[in-house]
Amino acid sequence: GEDVEQSLFLSVREGDSSVINCTYTDSSSTYLYWYKQEPGAGLQLLTYIFSNMDMKQDQRLTVLLNKKDKHLSLRIADTQTGDSAIYFCAETSGGGADGLTFGKGTHLIIQP
Amino acid sequence: SAVISQKPSRDICQRGTSLTIQCQVDSQVTMMFWYRQQPGQSLTLIATANQGSEATYESGFVIDKFPISRPNLTFSTLTVSNMSPEDSSIYLCSVSGTGGGEQYFGPGTRLTVT
Repeated sequence: GEDVEQSLFLSVREGDSSVINCTYTDSSSTYLYWYKQEPGAGLQLLTYIFSNMDMKQDQRLTVLLNKKDKHLSLRIADTQTGDSAIYFCAETSGGGADGLTFGKGTHLIIQP
Repeated sequence: SAVISQKPSRDICQRGTSLTIQCQVDSQVTMMFWYRQQPGQSLTLIATANQGSEATYESGFVIDKFPISRPNLTFSTLTVSNMSPEDSSIYLCSVSGTGGGEQYFGPGTRLTVT
């Protein structure tokens, strides 16, 4: 089946930029997503990108997509303690009509 | 974005029993999905809840264990049948948005089977 891979942990200093990386295998992916999950909470959709785009920016968040390398990244500028969470990368090949395939999630740890 | 609620938010059940989880959306949506998140793990798609027809299950999930209903465009249920401790997980429903591509998740139901 299709696969989505992420590093399990990322540690950054408060105020620095965080870059969370994700690779996927599905060459027919149409949408790619970043979700945030805080302890004991549900999944919050942070942003998503259509596969014909290579960049999307939303306030402190920048998503970069390299479709050739099947690589997706999420950059969080000026990382704050409230950004501490698990970040899940996900993809779908069916647009809004299919469910998502998730990575294992990256724990973002903020150092003071 | 859609507002999604789930009931119950959590439950502790005995092995061998069944639990039905409800998912309610504040607007009509085309697609609804059910996922499982086992402790410390990622999310796995269980099935797509189809309105007016049988759900479409992913590999490894069967209707007898996880029967799903979708009576209308705003509501769905997932039943976890004949539970065992291995069914202890968070069960989440999700819906597709109207903008094309976005998918939103409910708050989840935390199930513990003893």
